[in-house]
Amino acid sequence: DAKTTQPPSMDCAEGRAANLPCNHSTISGNEYVYWYRQIHSQGPQYIIHGLKNNETNEMASLIITEDRKSSTLILPHATLRDTAVYYCIVRVAGKLIFGQGTTLQVKP
Amino acid sequence: NAGVTQTPKFRVLKTGQSMTLLCAQDMNHEYMYWYRQDPGMGLRLIHYSVGEGTTAKGEVPDGYNVSRLKKQNFLLGLESAAPSQTSVYFCASSYPFDSRQETQYFGPGTRLLVL
Repeated sequence: DAKTTQPPSMDCAEGRAANLPCNHSTISGNEYVYWYRQIHSQGPQYIIHGLKNNETNEMASLIITEDRKSSTLILPHATLRDTAVYYCIVRVAGKLIFGQGTTLQVKP
Repeated sequence: NAGVTQTPKFRVLKTGQSMTLLCAQDMNHEYMYWYRQDPGMGLRLIHYSVGEGTTAKGEVPDGYNVSRLKKQNFLLGLESAAPSQTSVYFCASSYPFDSRQETQYFGPGTRLLVL
């Protein structure tokens, strides 16, 4: 079973920041949080991962709470091409376990 | 680099037929994976391999076999296809940074319909 909880869907206006939350209250101290996304019918795409500190790359930022029980993926300027299912993942026995994810709909 | 490629892109089988799905990667990755994704669901791990000549079972291995004879290729076999195996199959590969960090790269998927 997935060790994370995400809202099933969210909307975001084009050009605005998209903030996608994830709860992982049972995460162990040395496990990373991973984010992938899946644009319709395509293979999942890696976005970012982090352990304790906030992380940023060319695609997104990842904010992890101090107690590590939750995190937020931030797409700073969402575009229509960011419409996708976003998966927040904590590995189980070293394996990625994909839950249902959050369907992000970016609207014009 | 082509990344991760999958062959074929789409296939229709009759119940009881067999087939092999091919996954190839040109990134010299050690780890390779096969997942299936049913409509409206997340991906589920079928089998995986941590190196040439090694394979292991994932969450849903029944009805499938795999082989990793070459580092760059990972084959998924269906010996006797069943309608329940109708799904989209994704292959992935990775080179783990360490035991806790790993970034997987996915192929475009193979759509399989079993009648």
